[in-house]
Amino acid sequence: AQSVTQPDIHITVSEGASLELRCNYSYGATPYLFWYVQSPGQGLQLLLKYFSGDTLVQGIKGFEAEFKRSQSSFNLRKPSVHWSDAAEYFCAVGAHGDDKIIFGKGTRLHILP
Amino acid sequence: EAGVAQSPRYKIIEKRQSVAFWCNPISGHATLYWYQQILGQGPKLLIQFQNNGVVDDSQLPKDRFSAERLKGVDSTLKIQPAKLEDSAVYLCASSLREGYNSPLHFGNGTRLTVT
Repeated sequence: AQSVTQPDIHITVSEGASLELRCNYSYGATPYLFWYVQSPGQGLQLLLKYFSGDTLVQGIKGFEAEFKRSQSSFNLRKPSVHWSDAAEYFCAVGAHGDDKIIFGKGTRLHILP
Repeated sequence: EAGVAQSPRYKIIEKRQSVAFWCNPISGHATLYWYQQILGQGPKLLIQFQNNGVVDDSQLPKDRFSAERLKGVDSTLKIQPAKLEDSAVYLCASSLREGYNSPLHFGNGTRLTVT
């Protein structure tokens, strides 16, 4: 069965600094991969997704993620964070032929002024 | 377009009581999902509807949880009787159709506290 691991529970970065949130997945074939963001008291919003093709995926709000098959990773990046990026970020994986999406436990991002 | 609407936003009940949550998906969205999000964890799928039929309820604790989507539009999720471990945020999501190419749109959730 597929699974997804987000090794960092909390990440703190200064405003304007670059960001990388880690995500590792476990799945035998090419998975479908997603990053969602959840602001306090809100539902989840899709940032970006990878299905196939170019391994560098651009998303909304200036985020991007890179699929690395050899490392079973799908890390989320942003070159310069803004205070409004403070939120919880979830990596998720889906399997071919199965609509079920499995979410990681999330990484809470804190931004220092 | 209006987003996914959920009510209530918060609910506090005692264990062994019953509770119901309501969800109104985005108009025209055929697929509706209920997720449970326990503090410190990612959302876990409880049940998925396609129109008014159940597609997947393998992770729904059927001895106490039930859900319905009459007429294929809005949906209710019920817990009876509630246990302490049911304390969580219950998220409703909808998508235009089944499949990964149709993104999920989430509501703001209902935060349930069982005391």
